[in-house]
Amino acid sequence: NAGVMQNPRHLVRRRGQEARLRCSPMKGHSHVYWYRQLPEEGLKFMVYLQKENIIDESGMPKERFSAEFPKEGPSILRIQQVVRGDSAAYFCASSRQTSGMYNEQFFGPGTRLTVL
Amino acid sequence: DQQVKQNSPSLSVQEGRISILNCDYTNSMFDYFLWYKKYPAEGPTFLISISSIKDKNEDGRFTVFLNKSAKHLSLHIVPSQPGDSAVYFCAASGLSRGSTLGRLYFGRGTQLTVWP
Repeated sequence: NAGVMQNPRHLVRRRGQEARLRCSPMKGHSHVYWYRQLPEEGLKFMVYLQKENIIDESGMPKERFSAEFPKEGPSILRIQQVVRGDSAAYFCASSRQTSGMYNEQFFGPGTRLTVL
Repeated sequence: DQQVKQNSPSLSVQEGRISILNCDYTNSMFDYFLWYKKYPAEGPTFLISISSIKDKNEDGRFTVFLNKSAKHLSLHIVPSQPGDSAVYFCAASGLSRGSTLGRLYFGRGTQLTVWP
C-alpha cells in the first residue's frame, strides 16, 4: 500500500522560472494538504484541497502560487516566476476526511526546491 | 503568529532513560493534537495523537499527556533508543465549528539526540 508520493524529490530553478510540484495521495484519501518548511522552522500550512475544489487557501501567498487537485491525476502546486525566497522543502499530506473525524494526515517525502 | 510552540530546540538523553518533549499552544479552539517524527530529507511520520476529551494516550514506548487548562502537552518516550534520534514536531488541529478545519498548526520542532 503505497504512501503519499511526491515528485520530483529535488528541483532546481533559476529566478523567474516556473516550478511544478506533484503529489499523489494515499489510496483511499481524498483530501490533500500542502505545507512549506523553511530552514530552521516548522511546517507552515499553505492550502487544503479536495478533488476539484480548493477548501482553504489561506496560507498561500497571494501572487505567483496556485494549487489544483483535478478529478484525475495528482495534485499540483505551481509557483510562477520563482524567487530565492521560495527555496524550501514543500510537503504534501493526505487524509481520508475531516468532517466529524479527527484529522490524521500522512506526509510524503517532500520536494526540495532550490532557486538559483 | 506562532500558535503552537516548542520552546526547546534540542534535547539530549542517554539510551534507556526517559525523553520528555514539551509543547504549548495558545488557541483554545484546538481539540486534537499530534506528534510527528522527522528524519533529515524525509517527510514527517505520524507517531501518536490525542483528542481534547482525554488527558493521556499511550502507544508502546510513547505516551502523550494533555493539560488543557495549561494549554500544554508533552510526549514521553521510555525507554529512549538511539533510533529515536530525530526532530519531533508537535501539531494541533480543530474540529469544532469556528476553527479552521483540516489544517495542522506545527511547532518549530525539537531535535532529540539519544546517545548510547
